[in-house]
Amino acid sequence: NAGVTQTPKFRVLKTGQSMTLLCAQDMNHEYMYWYRQDPGMGLRLIHYSVGEGTTAKGEVPDGYNVSRLKKQNFLLGLESAAPSQTSVYFCASRHLLSYSGANVLTFGAGSRLTVL
Amino acid sequence: AQSVTQLDSHVSVSEGTPVLLRCNYSSSYSPSLFWYVQHPNKGLQLLLKYTSAATLVKGINGFEAEFKKSETSFHLTKPSAHMSDAAEYFCVVSDKPPNDYKLSFGAGTTVTVRA
Repeated sequence: NAGVTQTPKFRVLKTGQSMTLLCAQDMNHEYMYWYRQDPGMGLRLIHYSVGEGTTAKGEVPDGYNVSRLKKQNFLLGLESAAPSQTSVYFCASRHLLSYSGANVLTFGAGSRLTVL
Repeated sequence: AQSVTQLDSHVSVSEGTPVLLRCNYSSSYSPSLFWYVQHPNKGLQLLLKYTSAATLVKGINGFEAEFKKSETSFHLTKPSAHMSDAAEYFCVVSDKPPNDYKLSFGAGTTVTVRA
C-alpha cells in the first residue's frame, strides 16, 4: 500500500549512542517532515525538507540532524542520544502544490525511542 | 505567527451521546485548519479540513467542524459517539502561502468513550 514507512518502530538506546531513523514515502511527495510527540505537547517539528537535497530546521532541531539524498527518503539522526530525546517520532509527507487536498500530510505509524 | 489552543485535554462521553472538541485559533490571515485523529499506537489520520470554502466542514466517520471567524473557533462535533472514536484528536493550523507547509499543532484532546 502507498504511504509513509518508518523504521525502526521501536528502539532503546543508551545515553551517548547514535542512531538513524529512516522515513520512506512512495507517493512522490516533495515535502517531508520529522516531528516528535510528547505527552501534552502535541507534535513539534524537528526538521523538514522541501525537496531532494534540501533540509531546514523546525521548532526543536537541537541534537538532531537530517538528510534527504533521495526524494523518497528522509533520515533523522541522533549523534549522541540524551534521555530528553525519549519520544515518539513521526515522519510525514505532502505534495508541493497547495490545491485542494494537496496540503494534507500523510503520516507514518511512528517510531518509539527510549534513551536510558 | 499562527497557533491553536485545544481547550480540553481530556473529554469523556457515553456511547451514543454527542461529542464536542473545542479548538480556538490565532491567525492574522484567513487560515487553513485541520482536525487529525490518532488511534492508540498509530499515526495521525486526517478527519477534515477547512480552506475558506463552506464554513461547515464534513469529515470522515460522521465528524464535522464549523469555522467561526468571529469567535476564532473550529470546534469538532459528532452527534453520536461510538466506541471506535476513542482516540487523541489534534487541531492544526497552517501558515499562509507560500509557507503553508508549516503547521502548528494543538496539544491534543484525548477522547474516552464509556459503554
